[in-house]
Amino acid sequence: GQNIDQPTEMTATEGAIVQINCTYQTSGFNGLFWYQQHAGEAPTFLSYNVLDGLEEKGRFSSFLSRSKGYSYLLLKELQMKDSASYLCAVRDRTGGFKTIFGAGTRLFVKA
Amino acid sequence: EPEVTQTPSHQVTQMGQEVILRCVPISNHLYFYWYRQILGQKVEFLVSFYNNEISEKSEIFDDQFSVERPDGSNFTLKIRSTKLEDSAMYFCASSPTAGATNEKLFFGSGTQLSVL
Repeated sequence: GQNIDQPTEMTATEGAIVQINCTYQTSGFNGLFWYQQHAGEAPTFLSYNVLDGLEEKGRFSSFLSRSKGYSYLLLKELQMKDSASYLCAVRDRTGGFKTIFGAGTRLFVKA
Repeated sequence: EPEVTQTPSHQVTQMGQEVILRCVPISNHLYFYWYRQILGQKVEFLVSFYNNEISEKSEIFDDQFSVERPDGSNFTLKIRSTKLEDSAMYFCASSPTAGATNEKLFFGSGTQLSVL
């Protein structure tokens, strides 16, 4: 089976940097995704890692260590609009391909 | 930018009734999915669909659920006899492929199902 753990909530200040951690266990790892979800809306894609290391995309970066089953999402220069849930998701190729989501981390950005 | 469209945006039904949730995936995508999200909980995988058949389904996707691609554009989720616990936001998603690297999911805006 799969298991994805991430903190439930985090609070950070506008302009600051925040790191959201994710640990996972899966038998058929085929990539790790981060999605952003605002309340009442659909998830939207932020980043993807399949190899170890850091992927940078503007204010957002994501890191993966496959041997540790660990990823983080780094958000820089936080803006109020970044207040949302951040979902760590793992694609699993066991028995076909599906993407499994963690419970999400609710980020509150304060002024 | 192409998008996944879902109808209706809200559906209210009585317990025991059948509902059909509709989705139009992005036209050149090959893999289709249904997810659900109960209020305050995580996005849960229900089913994936490829080449006109179910590719994988979760334990949630029991005999009361079915999916269909009735024509070249629509993808539907049918819930045969709704229960109170089926109340959730149902998201349809599609992807160009499933096994290639960085194939993200494109989500529709969801159908909020309320079972009374």
